Amino acid sequence: QKEVEQNSGPLSVPEGAIASLNCTYSDRGSQSFFWYRQYSGKSPELIMFIYSNGDKEDGRFTAQLNKASQYVSLLIRDSQPSDSATYLCAVNIRSGNTPLVFGKGTRLSVIA
Amino acid sequence: NAGVTQTPKFRILKIGQSMTLQCTQDMNHNYMYWYRQDPGMGLKLIYYSVGAGITDKGEVPNGYNVSRSTTEDFPLRLELAAPSQTSVYFCASSTPRQDWDYGYTFGSGTRLTVV
Repeated sequence: QKEVEQNSGPLSVPEGAIASLNCTYSDRGSQSFFWYRQYSGKSPELIMFIYSNGDKEDGRFTAQLNKASQYVSLLIRDSQPSDSATYLCAVNIRSGNTPLVFGKGTRLSVIA
Repeated sequence: NAGVTQTPKFRILKIGQSMTLQCTQDMNHNYMYWYRQDPGMGLKLIYYSVGAGITDKGEVPNGYNVSRSTTEDFPLRLELAAPSQTSVYFCASSTPRQDWDYGYTFGSGTRLTVV
């Protein structure tokens, strides 16, 4: 069973719309959750992390965590063409600083 | 701050050749990692280290070796290169600010082709 699942996309949204990216994970003991953005040919860069149930907002980005449903999402408000990238969900499936497990990523395309 | 530096950026190897991918960080991070990324796939952990002298296998360690003699350096060695090792390799480092807050800093990657 895959540990971190994401829809590979592509997810296409018009400029100015809300993009919703989803991620599920298999290990109920997972502690913390990360969203990385990766432009084509570049390395991943951290956008947000979340560890408590509920929402966490940072500018146009909102991470949402529901541990009971084993579900984490990333909302991007007022999407811009510059948001077009692959978004990787990463999970710390055990406590402490153990290596992150990454999903395959969702490719987002924002259409001007 | 240079962050995490990887060399080389690109390399073409012939089947059976060996090489070392270099990774250096200047942030005094204890934790370092090697991941590989195949097209359309996420990152798969090859090896990681929690400090100098300590290394451990990840999900896909076969065909690779690592060493960690200093805090700064974490080289990845490929022995007897095979076409299945064609991939983009990322080195990353981290240090926990809180028990749950330890986002990685990634290097720029090494694109390796084995022919």
